[in-house]
Amino acid sequence: EAQVTQNPRYLITVTGKKLTVTCSQNMNHEYMSWYRQDPGLGLRQIYYSMNVEVTDKGDVPEGYKVSRKEKRNFPLILESPSPNQTSLYFCASSLLETQYFGPGTRLLVL
Amino acid sequence: AQSVTQLDSHVSVSEGTPVLLRCNYSSSYSPSLFWYVQHPNKGLQLLLKYTSAATLVKGINGFEAEFKKSETSFHLTKPSAHMSDAAEYFCVVSENSGGYNKLIFGAGTRLAVHP
Repeated sequence: EAQVTQNPRYLITVTGKKLTVTCSQNMNHEYMSWYRQDPGLGLRQIYYSMNVEVTDKGDVPEGYKVSRKEKRNFPLILESPSPNQTSLYFCASSLLETQYFGPGTRLLVL
Repeated sequence: AQSVTQLDSHVSVSEGTPVLLRCNYSSSYSPSLFWYVQHPNKGLQLLLKYTSAATLVKGINGFEAEFKKSETSFHLTKPSAHMSDAAEYFCVVSENSGGYNKLIFGAGTRLAVHP
């Protein structure tokens, strides 16, 4: 089944403790993105990747890192999480203009 | 830069009555437009997309949207609401950014359906 998977789905952590949210797709898509969703703001793009080893900042990249060492995986890294990064995070991969979203990761930073 | 405005943050309808979710966009050229739906505790699912073909676009679950260039609108409609339609809906415009089609999301409209 074609899908985008994310892990973990739920995470509670404390300020400053490094964490990684994994994202994997099995559709051989070149483009992958990370978004955060906050009430009243819709989804905002954090980072995107056009292909392996090619990544670029989206609209809200501060406090986040990404890597794209292989086509299927696009992890999101929070080196030193802060409470303002409490949010719902979505990974997506795309073919042309249609993006396919993962199920989301709900993060709470205390 | 392109942008999307969803005119209602909340819409409430009775089951069996029509649904109208309003969306206006701004774009310097002919855009690609999408509607996504997010059910509680679920990811986003593509409902329909407009990419410069027919202006009336039919999607899944009986939804459709009409692209009106003169009004810069892309409103989502359904003739008869079902309880399972209760969800959050996002209007999205696609912007070409350095060879990559970036999605610009509206703030979302939460649809409630009452018995």
